[in-house]
Amino acid sequence: DGGITQSPKYLFRKEGQNVTLSCEQNLNHDAMYWYRQDPGQGLRLIYYSQIVNDFQKGDIAEGYSVSREKKESFPLTVTSAQKNPTAFYLCASTGRYTEAFFGQGTRLTVV
Amino acid sequence: AQSVSQHNHHVILSEAASLELGCNYSYGGTVNLFWYVQYPGQHLQLLLKYFSGDPLVKGIKGFEAEFIKSKFSFNLRKPSVQWSDTAEYFCAVRAGGGATNKLIFGTGTLLAVQP
Repeated sequence: DGGITQSPKYLFRKEGQNVTLSCEQNLNHDAMYWYRQDPGQGLRLIYYSQIVNDFQKGDIAEGYSVSREKKESFPLTVTSAQKNPTAFYLCASTGRYTEAFFGQGTRLTVV
Repeated sequence: AQSVSQHNHHVILSEAASLELGCNYSYGGTVNLFWYVQYPGQHLQLLLKYFSGDPLVKGIKGFEAEFIKSKFSFNLRKPSVQWSDTAEYFCAVRAGGGATNKLIFGTGTLLAVQP
């Protein structure tokens, strides 16, 4: 089945560690997005990519990094520079004339 | 800069009441517009979308939205809400109309429907 797969579903990280969240899609979509969802703040855009080997910062990119080496994959690294990384992270993709399709999300907790 | 505003953060209604949730965006050109819903403990689900054509868009579960270009608005409506409509609702805008452009969400409106 076509869709977006995020892994892992739950992730625990110690303070000071970097951690990478995986996002894979088999929808042949060009654009991919990473959002952070916090209660009362909606979905805030971290990074997005319109094409392979290119990506742009969203509204809250500080402390995060991404890569887009393959069309299907858009991993997000939460670095130790991110001051408040505990959150629910959503990956999405869009195609021509389609809405955003979302993964199941990764809940990251810093311990 | 592109932005989306949802003015109602919390809405409480009784069953059978009518619903209208506001959504305004800031972008002067072509836009694609979306409303998503997130039921408690569940993931985002698309309610409806607007790309072009008839500005009155009908979605699932009896929801509709009207695109008013002059007001930069895309308000969500439902004539009679049910308890099962209790959820958080998000408006989203993709500026420029391109499939790969930046997609921005509002902060959400939490709707509670009382039986």
